[in-house]
Amino acid sequence: TQLLEQSPQFLSIQEGENLTVYCNSSSVFSSLQWYRQEPGEGPVLLVTVVTGGEVKKLKRLTFQFGDARKDSSLHITAAQPGDTGLYLCAGLINTGTASKLTFGTGTRLQVTL
Amino acid sequence: SAVISQKPSRDICQRGTSLTIQCQVDSQVTMMFWYRQQPGQSLTLIATANQGSEATYESGFVIDKFPISRPNLTFSTLTVSNMSPEDSSIYLCSVVVRGRTEAFFGQGTRLTVV
Repeated sequence: TQLLEQSPQFLSIQEGENLTVYCNSSSVFSSLQWYRQEPGEGPVLLVTVVTGGEVKKLKRLTFQFGDARKDSSLHITAAQPGDTGLYLCAGLINTGTASKLTFGTGTRLQVTL
Repeated sequence: SAVISQKPSRDICQRGTSLTIQCQVDSQVTMMFWYRQQPGQSLTLIATANQGSEATYESGFVIDKFPISRPNLTFSTLTVSNMSPEDSSIYLCSVVVRGRTEAFFGQGTRLTVV
């Protein structure tokens, strides 16, 4: 069972368009992270959000953590071909004795000219 | 951050054989993890590699199939045993640096079993 569901699963847009990717769960996370992965590479961290309701901006990317710390969104303004990749949200779960990162189902974004 | 060296980067193996993947980190880290990723899919956690003790496996993964070692803070291995074509996947090593929560990843090992 996937704890984190992302939508949409796949998105193909033209350069200049805006988009939003959603990451939803029934679980509460200590923090939530967003990664981007390109073919042949490992995921690369984009941002970490920790506080419920937190909003972080990274140039054209805006990340929001839900008030209840169960969901998050990633908004990209004026998408560019370089934004193409697999976007993954990941939630950190602390079990008391250990922590582990659980990944979402992923959103594959393709931006064309 | 942390620089992770994972090898081999890719391999083609015969069914029934075993492959050991190595993960070396350039700094001491608190946690090391092994993930599996089918092409185009998300990451599935196999296990947490514990220093000097048995790894902690996720549901659906067992030590006999995926033995893991972590002899020190900066090195771990994952073995894929008695491989079948269903084991064809990308295997990724991930670490969490002391004092942080973010994970850093190696480039992965692309395994094809024929």
